[in-house]
Amino acid sequence: DTEVTQTPKHLVMGMTNKKSLKCEQHMGHRAMYWYKQKAKKPPELMFVYSYEKLSINESVPSRFSPECPNSSLLNLHLHALQPEDSALYLCASSQARGTPLHFGNGTRLTVT
Amino acid sequence: GIQVEQSPPDLILQEGANSTLRCNFSDSVNNLQWFHQNPWGQLINLFYIPSGTKQNGRLSATTVATERYSLLYISSSQTTDSGVYFCAVLSNSGNTPLVFGKGTRLSVIA
Repeated sequence: DTEVTQTPKHLVMGMTNKKSLKCEQHMGHRAMYWYKQKAKKPPELMFVYSYEKLSINESVPSRFSPECPNSSLLNLHLHALQPEDSALYLCASSQARGTPLHFGNGTRLTVT
Repeated sequence: GIQVEQSPPDLILQEGANSTLRCNFSDSVNNLQWFHQNPWGQLINLFYIPSGTKQNGRLSATTVATERYSLLYISSSQTTDSGVYFCAVLSNSGNTPLVFGKGTRLSVIA
């Protein structure tokens, strides 16, 4: 699935840095998701936006801050991360809740 | 919440062999998807199959919703089929997220 575009592909950041992950889709989907995936584990849901409103926050630490500026864009702002936050961060979208998810290629994040 | 179990956890196949991957789930679902995650981390949507049977080339899937399981068939496997296959389900009950199984790690050797 390449209809969901994530940037950057790779990111290395220090624990004091502030960075943002970006996700864009032009399929007219109204639900967008952030997942976190550690090595050899399944993706874990972080946040769900439905019609540009945050509908699910899976008890994610406040150092991760999502933002949905419009129906096509989803950002994840990162601040004061820990080395254990290093993972593959996946964005997905769907027409609505309950319809098929389409994933982007992910951002591989390393926190040093 | 809903539980999703996939089997086998690991599978090694000779190129050209066939295989069946299984996904069991503990509650009724209104969404079930099979994904393939390649060695580069890309998650490819294979099937959206809350019930019934679908086929796409060498792959096919069957979900028997009343018995709470789904099967993914891979025929004439190729080395490019290697990776992790995930089953993910969305429960009928409540505002719950899509839940992933732990995956089946497939290695196809030439």
